[in-house]
Amino acid sequence: DTAVSQTPKYLVTQMGNDKSIKCEQNLGHDTMYWYKQDSKKFLKIMFSYNNKELIINETVPNRFSPKSPDKAHLNLHINSLELGDSAVYFCASSQEYLSSYNEQFFGPGTRLTVL
Amino acid sequence: RKEVEQDPGPFNVPEGATVAFNCTYSNSASQSFFWYRQDCRKEPKLLMSVYSSGNEDGRFTAQLNRASQYISLLIRDSKLSDSATYLCVVNKERAAGNKLTFGGGTRVLVKP
Repeated sequence: DTAVSQTPKYLVTQMGNDKSIKCEQNLGHDTMYWYKQDSKKFLKIMFSYNNKELIINETVPNRFSPKSPDKAHLNLHINSLELGDSAVYFCASSQEYLSSYNEQFFGPGTRLTVL
Repeated sequence: RKEVEQDPGPFNVPEGATVAFNCTYSNSASQSFFWYRQDCRKEPKLLMSVYSSGNEDGRFTAQLNRASQYISLLIRDSKLSDSATYLCVVNKERAAGNKLTFGGGTRVLVKP
């Protein structure tokens, strides 16, 4: 049973295209996140949703738009892809967002390559 | 200055040896601290939380020094399977929610 799943695992696309990454968690968690891990391996938070409501929105270009149809799903749509968007994108979830010591569970990642 | 800094390594460790490394954080208001482990081309996974009094989980010991703003991880009796990147993670403040800031990771290679 996969706790946090993402599709696709690999995504290779041309500059200027629009693409989406899907994420689903079956842990019953209230909070979900999107992270970007660049080539230098730094993992940075992009967005967080709690019960379908946006609670964290870091300084991310507005070409990136998250959508949460329900609390088990958080999708990421990227418009007009740029070379610098190439990275591994991780989805994560946690039980709730106000507790500082809640463990975050990560999906397997989506490796995006923009050509 | 980065919010969370780590020595990237790699730390080359003979099997059975002890290895320790630190991580420094810049925000004195940071509330909670963790070590996550990330294997090559895999997702991060929680290794252990770090509490003020220090805590141990089997061969792993974590310490927090709030005065000097660093946390440490010590691995005793290293196993080949301990080879991974260890990510120092800090949660800034309760009001910000569960918003984690990750260090760049310390790579550990355990060799026979």
